[in-house]
Amino acid sequence: AQTVTQSQPEMSVQEAETVTLSCTYDTSESDYYLFWYKQPPSRQMILVIRQEAYKQQNATENRFSVNFQKAAKSFSLKISDSQLGDAAMYFCAYRSPYSEKLVFGKGTKLTVNP
Amino acid sequence: DAGVIQSPRHEVTEMGQEVTLRCKPISGHNSLFWYRQTMMRGLELLIYFNNNVPIDDSGMPEDRFSAKMPNASFSTLKIQPSEPRDSAVYFCASSRGQYEKLFFGSGTQLSVL
Repeated sequence: AQTVTQSQPEMSVQEAETVTLSCTYDTSESDYYLFWYKQPPSRQMILVIRQEAYKQQNATENRFSVNFQKAAKSFSLKISDSQLGDAAMYFCAYRSPYSEKLVFGKGTKLTVNP
Repeated sequence: DAGVIQSPRHEVTEMGQEVTLRCKPISGHNSLFWYRQTMMRGLELLIYFNNNVPIDDSGMPEDRFSAKMPNASFSTLKIQPSEPRDSAVYFCASSRGQYEKLFFGSGTQLSVL
């Protein structure tokens, strides 16, 4: 079974600075999908960014980008120019190409200091 | 579009009582998912439907849990009888089809005393 590990329970960053959240996963599949979700205090899960394993280019969405290292099974999220609204729980998730099930990590709580 | 709508937002009940959580997916979405979030276990998939048919219910913890999707615009997750260890946030999510972007509701915070 696939597993997702987020080794940083909590992180903090100064407003306007850059922060990187770590995620590693374990799978025997060669093709799969990886996601980062944001969960603000409102509780709703919001998709931040998505990466297909067959794509070598790292995904980017405005201030959010990933560092996808397939061989190392690593999928980190970089948030540039951090804003107060970025404060939230961030979850890394894995999906097999054969299932719609998302496997989530335990999450990283990000605090943004003014 | 109103997004995925879940009700109630909060539910407090006593052990042994029946609990029903409700979900209205986004119109036109064919896949519907129920996830549970706890501090200990994180987010776990309980069950998902495609075109109103249950596809994978391997995450349903035990027979006390049941889920239905009688039509494309409504689903329920029922717990009978409820136990304190069922306390969690239950999320419903929907997508346009297989492998499309997932949209989550705001969740139901369930407390079983």
